[in-house]
Amino acid sequence: SYELTQAPSVSVSPGQTARITCSGDALPKRYAYWYQQKSGQAPVLVIYEDNKRPSGIPERFSGSTSGTMATLTISGAQVEDEGGYFCYSTDNAGNHGVFGGGTKLTVL
Amino acid sequence: QLQLQESGPRLVKPSETLSLTCTVSGGSISSSSHYWGWVRQPPGKGLEWIGSLFFTGTSYYNTSLKSRVTLSVDTSRDQFSLRLSSVTAADTAVYYCARETGSATSDFYFDLWGQGFLVTVSS
Repeated sequence: SYELTQAPSVSVSPGQTARITCSGDALPKRYAYWYQQKSGQAPVLVIYEDNKRPSGIPERFSGSTSGTMATLTISGAQVEDEGGYFCYSTDNAGNHGVFGGGTKLTVL
Repeated sequence: QLQLQESGPRLVKPSETLSLTCTVSGGSISSSSHYWGWVRQPPGKGLEWIGSLFFTGTSYYNTSLKSRVTLSVDTSRDQFSLRLSSVTAADTAVYYCARETGSATSDFYFDLWGQGFLVTVSS
């Protein structure tokens, strides 16, 4: 079955740029989506269709893709950005969703 | 403001069937622009897509769960449901229902989530 691969953890100091990556063979053909999840809460969409930001999401969140890799960039990460980040996409046919394993972001 | 709310038994015995319902309020489930899906998250672990369905009943399932999962929709009540049979302790998780937004020229993705509902499988 199709898989998306993420590093388990990323750590940055406040104000630094955090980059969280997601790799998958179908990403050249399918969009990547990014969700932020804080402890005990439902996920929140922060990036859709590779690089679009929903209303209400701070401008420091951006997304990009290159080949089989999608990247979520948090420019000037803040302590409040700590949490889990999950990429999401679909298989080549677009019928089956899949989440990456998640990356825990620590900002301290 | 559309909202989703999961409901059902919080404790299920091994080998039995887990049944959850998601109630959509503040809007209609009979939308041509949306799918409705289920995602679960075992304690301390990542998110897993379970499946998605359209208000007409068209559905897609995670291949690893397909033999045990049934999704259904009740448009008269603006509800959709999940049934997972032959559960084990590995099915203990927070189960989320969520709305998917997209189009024929794009993917569908989760843009609105329920608060989540912890189901424990234990005797």
